[in-house]
Amino acid sequence: GAVVSQHPSWVICKSGTSVKIECRSLDFQATTMFWYRQFPKQSLMLMATSNEGSKATYEQGVEKDKFLINHASLTLSTLTVTSAHPEDSSFYICRSGTEDEQFFGPGTRLTVL
Amino acid sequence: QKEVEQDPGPLSVPEGAIVSLNCTYSNSAFQYFMWYRQYSRKGPELLMYTYSSGNKEDGRFTAQVDKSSKYISLFIRDSQPSDSATYLCAISTQGGSEKLVFGKGTKLTVNP
Repeated sequence: GAVVSQHPSWVICKSGTSVKIECRSLDFQATTMFWYRQFPKQSLMLMATSNEGSKATYEQGVEKDKFLINHASLTLSTLTVTSAHPEDSSFYICRSGTEDEQFFGPGTRLTVL
Repeated sequence: QKEVEQDPGPLSVPEGAIVSLNCTYSNSAFQYFMWYRQYSRKGPELLMYTYSSGNKEDGRFTAQVDKSSKYISLFIRDSQPSDSATYLCAISTQGGSEKLVFGKGTKLTVNP
């Protein structure tokens, strides 16, 4: 079946640095990918919808200049957390799939020191 | 009022018990209902997907939708320790690759 992968699975970085997270569809073409953030003991919060070949659509309250999304191909979307701060520490998860099936990636745990 | 309300628990049951997990929603425009299971530090995986009111069964899992009450449930029969996870309900107005609105998730522990 369809699989969505993420890389890295976890990352620790210093405050002020930028971190790039990749989300790949392994055996299907993903015109749309969704990026979520999940804080401990909280539900998934949609951050943005990534559309191949066009600008991402951000949810209210999500800074587009801080969370840069690039969806340059049908199998890869990237989320870059720019100038990361400790409050950005969270579990970032992408979702994608076909009209029939949707899959979540395994998630990326970001810790900003 | 939040779009989806889900009791976060935690819920602790003995092995073999019947587990009932519930969510309520506020907007009748929601037509698609899903239950996801999420193990610690993993992405959610889809358990059940329903569209219409009524029951849908898959092995030990039964999803129930009552659109008139805007109430959805997931029942787990003969619960196992491996069922210990966080269960999230999710709803959307359209199927397929559309936005999902998630409940907070209920953390379930099944004790051997």
